[in-house]
Amino acid sequence: EVQLQESGPGLVKPSQSLSLTCSVTGYSITSNYWGWIRKFPGNKMEWMGYISYSGSTSYNPSLKSRISITRDTSKNQFFLQLNSVTTEDTATYYCARCRSSYSPMDAWGQGASVTVSS
Amino acid sequence: EIVLTQSPTTMTASPGEKVTITCRASSSVSYMHWYQQKPGASPKPWIYETSKLASGVPDRFSGSGSGTSYSLTINNMEAEDAATYYCQQWNYPWTFGGGTKLELK
Repeated sequence: EVQLQESGPGLVKPSQSLSLTCSVTGYSITSNYWGWIRKFPGNKMEWMGYISYSGSTSYNPSLKSRISITRDTSKNQFFLQLNSVTTEDTATYYCARCRSSYSPMDAWGQGASVTVSS
Repeated sequence: EIVLTQSPTTMTASPGEKVTITCRASSSVSYMHWYQQKPGASPKPWIYETSKLASGVPDRFSGSGSGTSYSLTINNMEAEDAATYYCQQWNYPWTFGGGTKLELK
């Protein structure tokens, strides 16, 4: 059974970078698609981007200049970096798996709450 | 970007009641996915490709729709169905509806 777990700082200062790790067990990240989604206070959800089985990436254009998703296949982990954060980036961040680029996200991490504040 | 508008945003239903949640897209999409989320938990895939139930989803749930209008229906509301439901479309960039919070009356 695939399991995903987010980890990283829960507090980030404005203008700094937010970095999160998604550790995957029970399934290789060299298959399928692996993405990041965030849920803002007030329940709005936003797809941020994904990294594919081949290492190619796709990002939400609203974030394109600030976001980077990378991976370490030897550790079966993938990473989110979001630069120049503001208080509006305060959210719960989820990592998730998709079987394909048009499938639903069928496995999710438990979520990592990140607050941007000085 | 395709904007998804869900209605209602909140609703209450009594046990046994029929519930319908609507998701309208700003442009036509081929199909819709739905997720269920309960407080403190991560979203779960619930209905995929408009009408297919994810594993473990009770058959009192159904999904339908096409083009710009999709819906999730619960026949015979049960207490465990109280949750927030989100629709999601897969055209780039993927987008979610604003969510419908369903409470038990």
